[in-house]
Amino acid sequence: QVQLQESGPGLAKPSETLSLTCSVSGGSFSSYYWSWIRQPPGKGLVWIGYMYYSGSTNYNPSLKSRVTISVDTSKNQFSLKLSSVTAADTAVYYCARGNSGIYLDYWGQGTLVTVSS
Amino acid sequence: QSVLTQPPSASGTPGQRVTISCSGSSSNIGSNYVYWYQHLPGTAPKLLIYRNDQRPSGVPDRFSGSKSGTSASLAISGLRSEDETDYYCAAWDDSLNGAVFGGGTKLTVL
Repeated sequence: QVQLQESGPGLAKPSETLSLTCSVSGGSFSSYYWSWIRQPPGKGLVWIGYMYYSGSTNYNPSLKSRVTISVDTSKNQFSLKLSSVTAADTAVYYCARGNSGIYLDYWGQGTLVTVSS
Repeated sequence: QSVLTQPPSASGTPGQRVTISCSGSSSNIGSNYVYWYQHLPGTAPKLLIYRNDQRPSGVPDRFSGSKSGTSASLAISGLRSEDETDYYCAAWDDSLNGAVFGGGTKLTVL
């Protein structure tokens, strides 16, 4: 059974970089889209982007200048870095495995990141 | 403002059939598959429908999806109390070259 688990600081300061890691167990990294999605408080799901196992990436145009997604197959992990955060980046962040950019079959439980000084 | 439009709420009584709509455009629903996710806040979202009308293994056949033109629908028949949660439609958008979600529909079982 494939399982994903997000980890990282629950608090980030304005203007700093938010960093999260997703640990994957029970499956291969090959042929999948390793994705991040977030949900601001009281709002809906927002796609952040993905890295395909081959290394190609695709990001939400509204976040593209600040987002980096990377994969470390040796550790069965992939990561999200979001720079220059503001309060608007406060959200529950989910990692997910995709069969395509939006065909997301396994998700993590999510981790809340609050941006505050 | 979400690219895909869903009603913010829907409701039904146990045993009833309810439908949740999702409206898009030619660049997303009109030219790509639609996906539906069930999400209880605080838990991992669950894939409910993929490629417009396909159910992953383990999803009851009470859930069904359909698509016509630039709109899609999720139907839930034989409504149960445990169906009370949030539902999101999603699709790839060729103009944005990215994935888009609907704003979500909160389903209440009366």
